[in-house]
Amino acid sequence: EAQVTQNPRYLITVTGKKLTVTCSQNMNHEYMSWYRQDPGLGLRQIYYSMNVEVTDKGDVPEGYKVSRKEKRNFPLILESPSPNQTSLYFCASSLSWDKETQYFGPGTRLLVL
Amino acid sequence: AQSVTQLGSHVSVSEGALVLLRCNYSSSVPPYLFWYVQYPNQGLQLLLKYTSAATLVKGINGFEAEFKKSETSFHLTKPSAHMSDAAEYFCAVTTGNQFYFGTGTSLTVIP
Repeated sequence: EAQVTQNPRYLITVTGKKLTVTCSQNMNHEYMSWYRQDPGLGLRQIYYSMNVEVTDKGDVPEGYKVSRKEKRNFPLILESPSPNQTSLYFCASSLSWDKETQYFGPGTRLLVL
Repeated sequence: AQSVTQLGSHVSVSEGALVLLRCNYSSSVPPYLFWYVQYPNQGLQLLLKYTSAATLVKGINGFEAEFKKSETSFHLTKPSAHMSDAAEYFCAVTTGNQFYFGTGTSLTVIP
């Protein structure tokens, strides 16, 4: 089944404790992206990747890191989480960046205390 | 930079009534435009997209949208609302590598 998977689905952590949210897709998509969803703000793009080893900042990259060492995986790293990073995070992938449909993962709900 | 404005964070319609969700965008170059739907506790899924072909785009579940360049709009419509249409709807735009989403419109369908 074609899908985007994220782990974990729910995470409670404390300020400053490094964490990684994994994202994997099995559709051989080139473009992958991370978003955060906050009430009243919609989805905002954090980072995106055009292909392996090619990543770039989105609208809200501060406090986040990403890597794209393999085509299928695009982990999101919070090296020192803060409470303002409490949010619902979505990973998405598509064949390419422009007019192709993005396929979204189920989301990761993060609470930083 | 591009931006998307969705007028009305909450819209309520009666079952069987017309659904109209508004989306306006700003872009200095021709955009690609999308409508996504999010059901409770799920990720987003594509309803329809405009990719510079026909200006009237038909999507899944009876939804359609019309690209109007002069009005910089891409409003989503459905002639007759169904209870299963209750969800949050997001308009999105891209002209380059980045995507910009609106703040979303929550649709309630009243029986």
